[in-house]
Amino acid sequence: AQKVTQAQTEISVVEKEDVTLDCVYETRDTTYYLFWYKQPPSGELVFLIRRNSFDEQNEISGRYSWNFQKSTSSFNFTITASQVVDSAVYFCALNSGGGADGLTFGKGTHLIIQP
Amino acid sequence: DVKVTQSSRYLVKRTGEKVFLECVQDMDHENMFWYRQDPGLGLRLIYFSYDVKMKEKGDIPEGYSVSREKKERFSLILESASTNQTSMYLCASRSQGTTYEQYFGPGTRLTVT
Repeated sequence: AQKVTQAQTEISVVEKEDVTLDCVYETRDTTYYLFWYKQPPSGELVFLIRRNSFDEQNEISGRYSWNFQKSTSSFNFTITASQVVDSAVYFCALNSGGGADGLTFGKGTHLIIQP
Repeated sequence: DVKVTQSSRYLVKRTGEKVFLECVQDMDHENMFWYRQDPGLGLRLIYFSYDVKMKEKGDIPEGYSVSREKKERFSLILESASTNQTSMYLCASRSQGTTYEQYFGPGTRLTVT
């Protein structure tokens, strides 16, 4: 069985602070994919990043960075110098077993950036 | 850009009605998915389809059915709507290529009264 845990239900920070969103996953498969999605108030999920289980390199994209650690089954997401536009619900998701099945989502972290 | 559209953003139906939620994607994706999103529960998979006329149950298929007569269109059907099916419904599609990200539509917020 697959499981994704986002223990932080809601995080509130002041603009320009750095913030890290935690994601812990469980799977018995050796090949799997991890994702982060952003859901702004408009409601549409926006794909941010995909990482496969064989690639443990961290990734940076502008103010966003991701830390994938297989040893702790974690795939954490850090926003540096947060902005009000980063306010959204962020979901971590897992896909394994060949990729054709649906994603297993965490329950999401509601990030609030206060001006 | 991948485009996934859903027929309605908001829908209000009465208990017992048959409800159709339509989803169309324009990227020739083989796989399509229906999820529902509820506060505190995240997104849960209802049904998915590998290809035309194929369907598979997800984690919470009870009370729902699906139809995929054309590759670009995937319909979710509530045979007899109930108040516990009030939710946000999200459709997604995915190419059966080397990447596995799913692309989502804007969602349909369904209220059953």
